[in-house]
Amino acid sequence: GAVVSQHPSWVICKSGTSVKIECRSLDFQATTMFWYRQFPKQSLMLMATSNEGSKATYEQGVEKDKFLINHASLTLSTLTVTSAHPEDSSFYICSTVQGTEAFFGQGTRLTVV
Amino acid sequence: SQKIEQNSEALNIQEGKTATLTCNYTNYSPAYLQWYRQDPGRGPVFLLLIRENEKEKRKERLKVTFDTTLKQSLFHITASQPADSATYLCAPQRFGTDKLIFGTGTRLQVFP
Repeated sequence: GAVVSQHPSWVICKSGTSVKIECRSLDFQATTMFWYRQFPKQSLMLMATSNEGSKATYEQGVEKDKFLINHASLTLSTLTVTSAHPEDSSFYICSTVQGTEAFFGQGTRLTVV
Repeated sequence: SQKIEQNSEALNIQEGKTATLTCNYTNYSPAYLQWYRQDPGRGPVFLLLIRENEKEKRKERLKVTFDTTLKQSLFHITASQPADSATYLCAPQRFGTDKLIFGTGTRLQVFP
């Protein structure tokens, strides 16, 4: 199956700064990638769908200016959390689909202090 | 609005017993239903997919049923082992979309 590499696995940043998370599809050309957020003891919440070469599609309630998504190539999608605040602290994870099966990155634990 | 609910409480069972997890959905007409396993601090891993025209699917010690009338899927792990301890997520999926919306998840703990 597809191999998805996400980086960094964890990051601590100061409030007000921006953080970029990268998601690479290592052996598969991913025209679409999905970004999820997961708070402790909660399920994965879909934030947005990243489309190669076009604008991302955001789920209701997700601020597109705060969570910037770029999918410039078939192997790389990035999520930038801009002007991060403590409430943005969460586990962010990307996935791509090959066939019907979703393959996930390792996730990024973001802590905003 | 769409809702996907799983056993909200953690499920604790003894090794060797069968674990049964429930996934109920409303305001949804999925063509498929997928089950994933998630370990702490890791991404989910695919386990099984069942189609709307399939009543049951098996894979080794796993069995999934899909009742589109009841809008429910059951996930069974037979002869459970401590290594099966994890959170299990269901994801009903509409035809024609790759997008997965996950249920609330059920944490399974298998003790020796």
